[in-house]
Amino acid sequence: AQSVTQLGSHVSVSEGALVLLRCNYSSSVPPYLFWYVQYPNQGLQLLLKYTTGATLVKGINGFEAEFKKSETSFHLTKPSAHMSDAAEYFCAVSVPYNQGGKLIFGQGTELSVKP
Amino acid sequence: KAGVTQTPRYLIKTRGQQVTLSCSPISGHRSVSWYQQTPGQGLQFLFEYFSETQRNKGNFPGRFSGRQFSNSRSEMNVSTLELGDSALYLCASSPGGAASTDTQYFGPGTRLTVL
Repeated sequence: AQSVTQLGSHVSVSEGALVLLRCNYSSSVPPYLFWYVQYPNQGLQLLLKYTTGATLVKGINGFEAEFKKSETSFHLTKPSAHMSDAAEYFCAVSVPYNQGGKLIFGQGTELSVKP
Repeated sequence: KAGVTQTPRYLIKTRGQQVTLSCSPISGHRSVSWYQQTPGQGLQFLFEYFSETQRNKGNFPGRFSGRQFSNSRSEMNVSTLELGDSALYLCASSPGGAASTDTQYFGPGTRLTVL
C-alpha cells in the first residue's frame, strides 16, 4: 500500500534562505510522486512531478525535488525563499487506476517566510 | 486551455439538507476525481469518474454520491448533511488513461459550511 509522510507541519524560513520541505513515501510499486502548493482559499497547483527518468525534477517558481529510492524520499527545495512562497505544500503519491486510482497526500507543510 | 472550474465557490447549508456541487474538467480530460479537505483529516479521496462510470471509490458513507455526464462534467451530491461535512471539496481532472503518471489538475474548490 502507498503512503506519504511529510515531516514538519510548519516550517519557517527567512526571505532569501533555503527552503527544504521533507517528504517520505511508501509504495509497493514504482512510485509516481507529486508536489502541490495551495495558497489560501485556492485549490491545489502542481509544482512538479516525478514519474521515471531523471531523479532531479525541476518545477515551477524555482522549486525542485530529488527522488531518492534508497531513502524513499522526495524532498522539495528552493535555494532562496521569497515572500510569495508562503503557502501550504502537499506531497502526494499516485495510485494506479486499477488499484484505486487516486492521489494519496501527506498531511501538508505550511511554509512561512519572514522578511 | 481553461482550467478546472467548480461551482459554486461557497455554500452554507443546515444539517439534514442536501447539496450538489458541480465540476467542469479541462477540455479533453475524461477523468474527474473528488477530494474532501478538512483541517483534521487532510485531503481524502471521495471517488473518481471516467466515461460516465464510477471507476474508483474512497471510504465515505453512501450519503456521498456523484455522477459524470457525457461531456465529462461531474456533479457530487451529499445528502442528509452533517456538521462534519463542512469542508473544502476539490475536483481534479486528468486525461484519464490507464497510466498512473497522469497529472491531476485541481479546481479552486467549493467551500461547504454546514450549520
